[in-house]
Amino acid sequence: DAGVIQSPRHEVTEMGQEVTLRCKPISGHNSLFWYRQTMMRGLELLIYFNNNVPIDDSGMPEDRFSAKMPNASFSTLKIQPSEPRDSAVYFCASRTGQGKNQPQHFGDGTRLSIL
Amino acid sequence: GENVEQHPSTLSVQEGDSAVIKCTYSDSASNYFPWYKQELGKGPQLIIDIRSNVGEKKDQRIAVTLNKTAKHFSLHITETQPEDSAVYFCAASPSNTGNQFYFGTGTSLTVIP
Repeated sequence: DAGVIQSPRHEVTEMGQEVTLRCKPISGHNSLFWYRQTMMRGLELLIYFNNNVPIDDSGMPEDRFSAKMPNASFSTLKIQPSEPRDSAVYFCASRTGQGKNQPQHFGDGTRLSIL
Repeated sequence: GENVEQHPSTLSVQEGDSAVIKCTYSDSASNYFPWYKQELGKGPQLIIDIRSNVGEKKDQRIAVTLNKTAKHFSLHITETQPEDSAVYFCAASPSNTGNQFYFGTGTSLTVIP
């Protein structure tokens, strides 16, 4: 089975530019999560969706960050304008809605560097 | 909200020895506790999980124990091998938050050949 697919794997761009990260969840999973990982703060939940609807975006750091899930097989995380402190690894994870207490499955992340 | 603490932050063991990583949580509503292994350049991968109606679970060289009264759970790796070297994360999921996981800060395990 294909896992969670994220693109691009690496992104280097200059501050002020718009950055779009993409995620394809595992087919049939109805929950999708966006995380940010840094050495200082560890794994932080930014936002999560159930059935394509944003449920909790309290982790989104600023209005510069936005996320969408137009359908069950695709989500984007956008940063506009980007700043050097946004440099981090961004992970997408998905989870099945069948049954309680199911694990989240992570993609391999996008390593973002803002110069 | 839930707060998960994880210790130690780094751990070095000789190949063949056992490794133990401990986590505590604060929210008594937490009832699901997954453990993830993260290798360099990759995303966290689930290695084992335990639900609150179980005190211990084992899968080959990996075992997890849960003490709900004390609000702590531990990962045990026996007969460690160099390929066990990675960062390990614990997480807790309160039943009243639906899908949300609260992660520990990670343990960097090094197995010395």
